[in-house]
Amino acid sequence: EVQLVESGGGLVQPGGSLRLSCAASGFTFSTYWMTWVRQAPGKGLEWVANIKQDGSEKYYVDSVKGRFTISRDNAKNSLYLQMNSLRAEDTAVYYCATDWGYCSGGSCYGWFDPWGQGTLVTVSS
Amino acid sequence: SYELTQPPSVSVSPGQTASITCSGDKLGDKYACWYQQKPGQSPVLVIYQDTKRPSGIPERFSGSNSGNTATLTISGTQAMDEADYFCQAWDSSTVVFGGGTKLTVL
Repeated sequence: EVQLVESGGGLVQPGGSLRLSCAASGFTFSTYWMTWVRQAPGKGLEWVANIKQDGSEKYYVDSVKGRFTISRDNAKNSLYLQMNSLRAEDTAVYYCATDWGYCSGGSCYGWFDPWGQGTLVTVSS
Repeated sequence: SYELTQPPSVSVSPGQTASITCSGDKLGDKYACWYQQKPGQSPVLVIYQDTKRPSGIPERFSGSNSGNTATLTISGTQAMDEADYFCQAWDSSTVVFGGGTKLTVL
């Protein structure tokens, strides 16, 4: 059974740091792009970052560039999100997901499936 | 920046057909997908590449995409289909989600 389990969320003060982890099982983790998506309380979904199979390519939404770093350890079947300089607006449930994205002819396509259960990050003093 | 627009809410009677739209500039030139999210749960993919259903998703879920609008259609809607639905597409190398539609089955 394919499974993604996030951990590492919690309460952190503005300006603080947190590292999220996502443990993957049931599929060949090293052959897939992986992504982080977040959802603020009562709000919609926002894509945060994704990473290529070997970690050589990483992309971020503008609002987290320079503050968040996505990484992976294929030997441990794990995905990470290092979050620094956290702000109140980063408060959200963070989901990891398998990223079926691909680019062709100058355009990109794709979907996310499956998703983990999410981990809540609360940034507050 | 690219935007996808969904109606905030849609209501449908049990057994009837529900249609949820997602609008964006030349969305038909891109691939759209749809996620279902029930309260307290993670999103679940129900349609990808405009029209394809993942294994395990009931046949009553279908999708289309043309012009500026992608549509998720649920035929013979059941009470268990009550949920939030989000569309998603890519613009260049950026992922874009719609704001979500709350489907009420009453």
